[in-house]
Amino acid sequence: GAVVSQHPSWVICKSGTSVKIECRSLDFQATTMFWYRQFPKQSLMLMATSNEGSKATYEQGVEKDKFLINHASLTLSTLTVTSAHPEDSSFYICSARDRGRGTEAFFGQGTRLTVV
Amino acid sequence: DAKTTQPTSMDCAEGRAANLPCNHSTISGNEYVYWYRQIHSQGPQYIIHGLKNNETNEMASLIITEDRKSSTLILPHATLRDTAVYYCIAVNAGNNRKLIWGLGTSLAVNP
Repeated sequence: GAVVSQHPSWVICKSGTSVKIECRSLDFQATTMFWYRQFPKQSLMLMATSNEGSKATYEQGVEKDKFLINHASLTLSTLTVTSAHPEDSSFYICSARDRGRGTEAFFGQGTRLTVV
Repeated sequence: DAKTTQPTSMDCAEGRAANLPCNHSTISGNEYVYWYRQIHSQGPQYIIHGLKNNETNEMASLIITEDRKSSTLILPHATLRDTAVYYCIAVNAGNNRKLIWGLGTSLAVNP
């Protein structure tokens, strides 16, 4: 299957700092990438949908100025958590859809963010 | 998007078939049934999807009822590594094909 690489796998940062998470499609072009957040024992919650070369579409309740998404190329999207606080600690997951292969989405390994 | 309903948890003996049910009684004609699984602290893994016909791949089989109101994911010979949370999702063919995740079924494969 197609490979999506997410980096870093885990990060610990101080409150008030910003953290950038990268999501790369390694062997396909991804016109659309999705960013999710997952709290312990809960399901994945979609945060935003990003299309290459255009602004991301955020889900209701997700602050676009806090969670900056950039999708500058067909193989890379980044999520920056700005001015992180402990309540932003979560598991962040990206997924990408292969525009040449139809409907299934492929997921990165996830990034465990801990804000202290 | 149609809501799906799955049992919270299931157990299965190693080497036996694991049959995971999913109800999607409000599914519409252009919605696919997708199955993903998530092993603890990892990203979800695509398993299989279908629209009307039964599907099989190297990982699993998907049986969709004729009225499309329910489906069953079958892992023919479950192993310990199949222990995971399994998600059944109805996906609209349009709408950027957003995935709306429920709580899934936590499958425990026991030795």
